[in-house]
Amino acid sequence: KNEVEQSPQNLTAQEGEFITINCSYSVGISALHWLQQHPGGGIVSLFMLSSGKKKHGRLIATINIQEKHSSLHITASHPRDSAVYICAVGTSGTYKYIFGTGTRLKVLA
Amino acid sequence: DTGVSQNPRHKITKRGQNVTFRCDPISEHNRLYWYRQTLGQGPEFLTYFQNEAQLEKSRLLSDRFSAERPKGSFSTLEIQRTEQGDSAMYLCASSLRQHPANYGYTFGSGTRLTVV
Repeated sequence: KNEVEQSPQNLTAQEGEFITINCSYSVGISALHWLQQHPGGGIVSLFMLSSGKKKHGRLIATINIQEKHSSLHITASHPRDSAVYICAVGTSGTYKYIFGTGTRLKVLA
Repeated sequence: DTGVSQNPRHKITKRGQNVTFRCDPISEHNRLYWYRQTLGQGPEFLTYFQNEAQLEKSRLLSDRFSAERPKGSFSTLEIQRTEQGDSAMYLCASSLRQHPANYGYTFGSGTRLTVV
């Protein structure tokens, strides 16, 4: 079992739909990151969370430390949101990230 | 400073050839990391530098792999005698803080290697 698990692995949505991507982890963490990766591209950091909730534009990220769970929500989805969304956790006291395998999102016009 | 720069963006090589990738981190970042990402997977840690010192190497980094950061600035990752299994995206990241997991990395755009 991976230390960081994401669901779903693949997601297809219609433009305008509300999207939720989930991340569960089994290790102690100092922070959790949500990252976005476009095809053939590098990784862009969307959020870093250690507690609570953050919002940026149409993106909302939440984390529940007790339940070891985080969610990334996209409101009013748009085709340009199509990408792979990766959850990564920074483990306590280390410099390394453990990455989930990503959720491949496709938003149809 | 435009962020972490990686070159080349794409590399196609024949099996058995040597390849070298370069990463230029954000100038004030003293920590530099290499990750490898295969198709459908999340990135996996390869190695980490603090200034010019290579402090950790993953067991994923076989003897055919070598990484350097000679002056504590840019870094190179060399793969000797490439194999088809080396085909992947090689990602570089850099950070400044002592515990970058708390403050986040800045990633480069990656070098996609295809071994034919």
